[in-house]
Amino acid sequence: TQLLEQSPQFLSIQEGENLTVYCNSSSVFSSLQWYRQEPGEGPVLLVTVVTGGEVKKLKRLTFQFGDARKDSSLHITAAQPGDTGLYLCAGPIASGSRLTFGEGTQLTVNP
Amino acid sequence: SQTIHQWPATLVQPVGSPLSLECTVEGTSNPNLYWYRQAAGRGLQLLFYSVGIGQISSEVPQNLSASRPQDRQFILSSKKLLLSDSGFYLCAWSVRGGNEKLFFGSGTQLSVL
Repeated sequence: TQLLEQSPQFLSIQEGENLTVYCNSSSVFSSLQWYRQEPGEGPVLLVTVVTGGEVKKLKRLTFQFGDARKDSSLHITAAQPGDTGLYLCAGPIASGSRLTFGEGTQLTVNP
Repeated sequence: SQTIHQWPATLVQPVGSPLSLECTVEGTSNPNLYWYRQAAGRGLQLLFYSVGIGQISSEVPQNLSASRPQDRQFILSSKKLLLSDSGFYLCAWSVRGGNEKLFFGSGTQLSVL
């Protein structure tokens, strides 16, 4: 059973469109992280959200942590082909030395 | 600055052969070290993590083992590879006692034939 459920699994959109992807859990997390991974590379950390209700912006990307700290969303405005990649959410488990990952959302932005 | 090196980038091995993947971290001391495996386009499964030399925790029973002979060196091994061992293997590090942010290597694509 996945602790973190991501949706949608696949998303293909045209350049300039907006999109939102989701990361949900029935468990409370002290924090959640979002990573982006390109083919043949390791994931790269985009942001960490820590406080319930927190909103963080990274250029055209907006990250939100749910009030109950059980879910998070990533909204991309005016998507560009360079946004293409696998978006993974992750959260600490047990003692906090380990992260559990969602299955990811594979985003393709077509020119 | 900190860097993480993982090699080889690609590996094709026959079933039953041994495996050794190496990962080293530079520019930091006493890191937590991790081995993850990833199926194509999917999430990451934690295989092993280590909080110090010789200290290895295994997350799932499997055909693989890990060792940490030096503070910044993490090795993933197998005596006899299975077809099901194929996948993308990622090494990562984090600051010990920090906020669990992971920094990943560039991965090894292993194909067992």
